[in-house]
Amino acid sequence: DAGVIQSPRHEVTEMGQEVTLRCKPISGHDYLFWYRQTMMRGLELLIYFNNNVPIDDSGMPEDRFSAKMPNASFSTLKIQPSEPRDSAVYFCASSLFHHEQYFGPGTRLTVT
Amino acid sequence: GESVGLHLPTLSVQEGDNSIINCAYSNSASDYFIWYKQESGKGPQFIIDIRSNMDKRQGQRVTVLLNKTVKHLSLQIAATQPGDSAVYFCAPWNAAYKYIFGTGTRLKVLA
Repeated sequence: DAGVIQSPRHEVTEMGQEVTLRCKPISGHDYLFWYRQTMMRGLELLIYFNNNVPIDDSGMPEDRFSAKMPNASFSTLKIQPSEPRDSAVYFCASSLFHHEQYFGPGTRLTVT
Repeated sequence: GESVGLHLPTLSVQEGDNSIINCAYSNSASDYFIWYKQESGKGPQFIIDIRSNMDKRQGQRVTVLLNKTVKHLSLQIAATQPGDSAVYFCAPWNAAYKYIFGTGTRLKVLA
């Protein structure tokens, strides 16, 4: 299995631009999680899906952030408009039930 | 809400010695815990888990101890190797199906 796939691996954008991060979970997993990691706040859960349905988005910072999971093999996290404080590493993870989560390699986002 | 604290943000250990990474949690309802290892530039990777009906679980060179009375976990790594250098997270699971990771503990292995 290729594991969780994320793209792009690095993204540099200017403030105000729209950013879309993509994730392909491990086949057969029914949970998908989006995390953000910064030095100051560590690893924070933004939102998670179960069977493609958003279950908890209480970690989404504000309305500028949105996430979708149109099917079992694809999810996106969108930031519009982006701000410098959004700069972080964004991880996608998937799991079977809510057990051990398998993380992707992350997307390093820099907003200038 | 849930909080996870780590007693030692950075731990330096001599190669070959044993490492102990500690973790305190606040939600007494947490009944499942996972330790993750994150190497530089990579996503966290599962190391070992433990359920609240256990107080000890062993894996390959790692042992996790759980003390529910004081809401404390520890991860013990035997014969620490350079490849063990990483950031370690303990992640208690709460009833909202969420793991709380916190900032982690950095383990540095000295040659």
